[in-house]
Amino acid sequence: GAGVSQSPSNKVTEKGKDVELRCDPISGHTALYWYRQSLGQGLEFLIYFQGNSAPDKSGLPSDRFSAERTGGSVSTLTIQRTQQEDSAVYLCASSSGSGGRLAQYFGPGTRLLVL
Amino acid sequence: GNSVTQMEGPVTLSEEAFLTINCTYTATGYPSLFWYVQYPGEGLQLLLKATKADDKGSNKGFEATYRKETTSFHLEKGSVQVSDSAVYFCALIIYQGAQKLVFGQGTRLTINP
Repeated sequence: GAGVSQSPSNKVTEKGKDVELRCDPISGHTALYWYRQSLGQGLEFLIYFQGNSAPDKSGLPSDRFSAERTGGSVSTLTIQRTQQEDSAVYLCASSSGSGGRLAQYFGPGTRLLVL
Repeated sequence: GNSVTQMEGPVTLSEEAFLTINCTYTATGYPSLFWYVQYPGEGLQLLLKATKADDKGSNKGFEATYRKETTSFHLEKGSVQVSDSAVYFCALIIYQGAQKLVFGQGTRLTINP
């Protein structure tokens, strides 16, 4: 079946602009995660959605970052007033539930470059 | 807190060599443990996992055993191939805690023919 998909695959933007990154999880997966992969910080958790529960936003680095998940499926990560330090690969993952024993399956990522 | 420490890279081996990539962890709860692999130009792929002590995860000739007494989850393969060249990430997740993966820093592996 189809895996996690993300769009765009690459995004170049100017400092101060807003960007939206999209994630389509695996069909039927109730849990969705956003991570960021950067040279300096490695792989970092950003936010977690599980069903209709309030999201866990504990990893968002600043209030310029926000995310929503509509209809329990597609998610959008928005970065407002982008800064150069936001340049990274943004990864989305999904899993079939919230149990820690369940593997998370990753999309190919969106490579963001802020000039 | 929860953290994962991996063997420093990069690691370079010849084809058919034996591979070990060390991974140790600290965790406030009882973690599940994972190895993910990132091939050049591709996304993260789950390689194997283990969810309780003494479990052995295996896939594509790779193995790792969950050792609670040494808080380790070392990745091994008996005979590596050029196609195994990639970055390998050890990770944990706490069942009762926030449902997030905590990753090690990654180990870049290069296999020469």
